[in-house]
Amino acid sequence: DAKTTQPTSMDCAEGRAANLPCNHSTISGNEYVYWYRQIHSQGPQYIIHGLKNNETNEMASLIITEDRKSSTLILPHATLRDTAVYYCIVAGSARQLTFGSGTQLTVLP
Amino acid sequence: GAVVSQHPSWVICKSGTSVKIECRSLDFQATTMFWYRQFPKQSLMLMATSNEGSKATYEQGVEKDKFLINHASLTLSTLTVTSAHPEDSSFYICSARVQKERGYTFGSGTRLTVV
Repeated sequence: DAKTTQPTSMDCAEGRAANLPCNHSTISGNEYVYWYRQIHSQGPQYIIHGLKNNETNEMASLIITEDRKSSTLILPHATLRDTAVYYCIVAGSARQLTFGSGTQLTVLP
Repeated sequence: GAVVSQHPSWVICKSGTSVKIECRSLDFQATTMFWYRQFPKQSLMLMATSNEGSKATYEQGVEKDKFLINHASLTLSTLTVTSAHPEDSSFYICSARVQKERGYTFGSGTRLTVV
């Protein structure tokens, strides 16, 4: 599975959009981009995933560049409860998920 | 939908005893489940892939005789930590792949403390 690179930590003001970047320059054509988050001492929570097109759901938007070498997760209106470690994972549809170090997002009041 | 229920949420056991952790898919069938371990301030590490009706596949460095996995039905996988020692203390998390729209869903995790 392709490796991902994420910033170690980010801060965001409450109510503002949080934009979390992820680089996956070695992604292959059949690999999806998945985003999960983990709040302290809980299991990871699914956020969104995509293959080529941008995706949006009730939680977030996923913007994937045309060359698919990077993506951005957007939380449109961050709240304090969005403070968590966010993981960007690249994997084939039938493959297990391999977690990297993720980005610690801290939403500030 | 697509809920994975994991029990217990926490357990404390004496060194040398065995502990069983259950992972159930509540509203879908999971032919494959995954078991992860997470030490403090670290990321999740895949331990093994649990396949219904067949033997589990273990990641390199994970002892199969110590971490027994049973996936006897399409909705239940169990991880038994045998002869637990303090170094086995960790956060254990299971996961199952949900078809199409949801990717993979995770249990809430089990905090194991071996004293």
